[in-house]
Amino acid sequence: SQQGEEDPQALSIQEGENATMNCSYKTSINNLQWYRQNSGRGLVHLILIRSNEREKHSGRLRVTLDTSKKSSSLLITASRAADTASYFCATNTGGFKTIFGAGTRLFVKA
Amino acid sequence: DTGVSQDPRHKITKRGQNVTFRCDPISEHNRLYWYRQTLGQGPEFLTYFQNEAQLEKSRLLSDRFSAERPKGSFSTLEIQRTEQGDSAMYLCASSGGLAGIIANTGELFFGEGSRLTVL
Repeated sequence: SQQGEEDPQALSIQEGENATMNCSYKTSINNLQWYRQNSGRGLVHLILIRSNEREKHSGRLRVTLDTSKKSSSLLITASRAADTASYFCATNTGGFKTIFGAGTRLFVKA
Repeated sequence: DTGVSQDPRHKITKRGQNVTFRCDPISEHNRLYWYRQTLGQGPEFLTYFQNEAQLEKSRLLSDRFSAERPKGSFSTLEIQRTEQGDSAMYLCASSGGLAGIIANTGELFFGEGSRLTVL
């Protein structure tokens, strides 16, 4: 079952613009993670935010978490063509299982 | 260490045949996961190993599927009597953990996946 739902399903922007992807989830979580996947490849971990954190930065990435709304957002600033990929949020409820959403497909036009 | 490796990367088989995928996790990781991903969807959890113990199997994993991790190192995922609906990318991931601690709060390291096409 999918715990997280990303929005939008697809996003097309110009290079240099910011890209914002949202994730909503259903149950209480221990942490939320964002992953990136290039076409036909495995997933690469981007950033993890714990349930007691509200915002986290890593390079051009900014993640926010609102546990009261059960939602998170991933902002990629100054996007590049190389950022073209699918982005997935994944939630961990404190056990061993990490559950992924359906993803947002980002296309950055050069 | 070169990360998580999976073999084969691609497998085309005829319906009814058996297939086996292998995953070699990062050597110091004691947790290993199998996920399945169909086109346009996120990875779906299949099963999880802590060392050699298989601690959970998803209901997605029918009795045609079996996974092993015999010595707590590499793992195999076998699909018997394949069906066209089994066509997907099978992803393996590993993560680190300290002995005796069950909770996993860390990142997953994924392999490049094994793409299965059942004709």
